[in-house]
Amino acid sequence: GNSVTQMEGPVTLSEEAFLTINCTYTATGYPSLFWYVQYPGEGLQLLLKATKADDKGSNKGFEATYRKETTSFHLEKGSVQVSDSAVYFCALGNSGGSNYKLTFGKGTLLTVNP
Amino acid sequence: EAQVTQNPRYLITVTGKKLTVTCSQNMNHEYMSWYRQDPGLGLRQIYYSMNVEVTDKGDVPEGYKVSRKEKRNFPLILESPSPNQTSLYFCASRDTGGREQFFGPGTRLTVL
Repeated sequence: GNSVTQMEGPVTLSEEAFLTINCTYTATGYPSLFWYVQYPGEGLQLLLKATKADDKGSNKGFEATYRKETTSFHLEKGSVQVSDSAVYFCALGNSGGSNYKLTFGKGTLLTVNP
Repeated sequence: EAQVTQNPRYLITVTGKKLTVTCSQNMNHEYMSWYRQDPGLGLRQIYYSMNVEVTDKGDVPEGYKVSRKEKRNFPLILESPSPNQTSLYFCASRDTGGREQFFGPGTRLTVL
């Protein structure tokens, strides 16, 4: 079946540091890949997505590239801000019969200190 | 504004007292789904619905029911809640053919 493994947290960085959160997946077929972000006390927001191999998703300075050869979709940002503090979820979207469901990783808590 | 809404946002209840969490979307999406979020487990799908009157089990359906009588609404029903259903619940919707799911703000449920 489908599965997503993402880097265990928590991750604590200083402002302007470089961020990488690793995500690897196992899936059949041709999944789409997503990063969702959950700010404190809020719901999930889509941060970026990629729908096919070698696609790069980007938003708000975050980037992730869909690497089929390594089954990875690592999240990166060159210079984090305090406002980036949140929980980040890597997710895989795939059709399981009629159910296009999302399979999530366990989430990575990022804390950015001033 | 396109959105998914859930009510209530917070609920504390006792074991065995039936409750319903409502979910509504205004995007005319056909697909809707419920997830629960637990620490260290990420989000897991409870039930989903491909369209009106079409529902099916996700990965963790035990103890839950759903209904889809109208396209915009997808309530989650706990007939006899138990403490292990204490969790953060999210409703989501998606357009047919679309890949992105839109999430509601979440309902934090505590069962004592």
